[in-house]
Amino acid sequence: RKEVEQDPGPFNVPEGATVAFNCTYSNSASQSFFWYRQDCRKEPKLLMSVYSSGNEDGRFTAQLNRASQYISLLIRDSKLSDSATYLCVVIDYKLSFGAGTTVTVRA
Amino acid sequence: EPEVTQTPSHQVTQMGQEVILRCVPISNHLYFYWYRQILGQKVEFLVSFYNNEISEKSEIFDDQFSVERPDGSNFTLKIRSTKLEDSAMYFCASSEAQERSPYEQYFGPGTRLTVT
Repeated sequence: RKEVEQDPGPFNVPEGATVAFNCTYSNSASQSFFWYRQDCRKEPKLLMSVYSSGNEDGRFTAQLNRASQYISLLIRDSKLSDSATYLCVVIDYKLSFGAGTTVTVRA
Repeated sequence: EPEVTQTPSHQVTQMGQEVILRCVPISNHLYFYWYRQILGQKVEFLVSFYNNEISEKSEIFDDQFSVERPDGSNFTLKIRSTKLEDSAMYFCASSEAQERSPYEQYFGPGTRLTVT
């Protein structure tokens, strides 16, 4: 089983829609979790940390489910500028990136 | 807003040559990292560096690779004898002290390395 797995998508959604996707991780001892976004051929940019209690940042909501070993990201009222690849990052004794979930928001 | 910078943006080299990729982390950050991303693939961790020594490294980071912080601002990745499969985008990242914001890493724009 891969350390970090993501549905690659693509998720094609209209502007204003809600889109959500998950990331599963294999190591139950993983300590920290993050979502990054990556635009084509650019560097990953930190989107948000994921806390045990779940957290929200504007239109973005992240959840952590330790029992089932997954984290999720929900984007509400999606904008064209949300089109990107979203990378799940899991920290245990090293940093592991998922392969990313591609989201395309269409007008 | 402070940012991580990397030079050059694109490096072309011949197989077997040595390359040095340079990074200037955010000035008050203490942890430094190198990652690579082969075209179309996921970001892969190479190495982390703290207090002038390697703190973690992946299986990719073999004897061909080395890192150095030659002065108070630069952080370099050296590949001694490049192979075709080293062609990738190399990202540098940095983060603050672990106690405050563990592993919230900020990435530089990357150096695209092409080995011919």
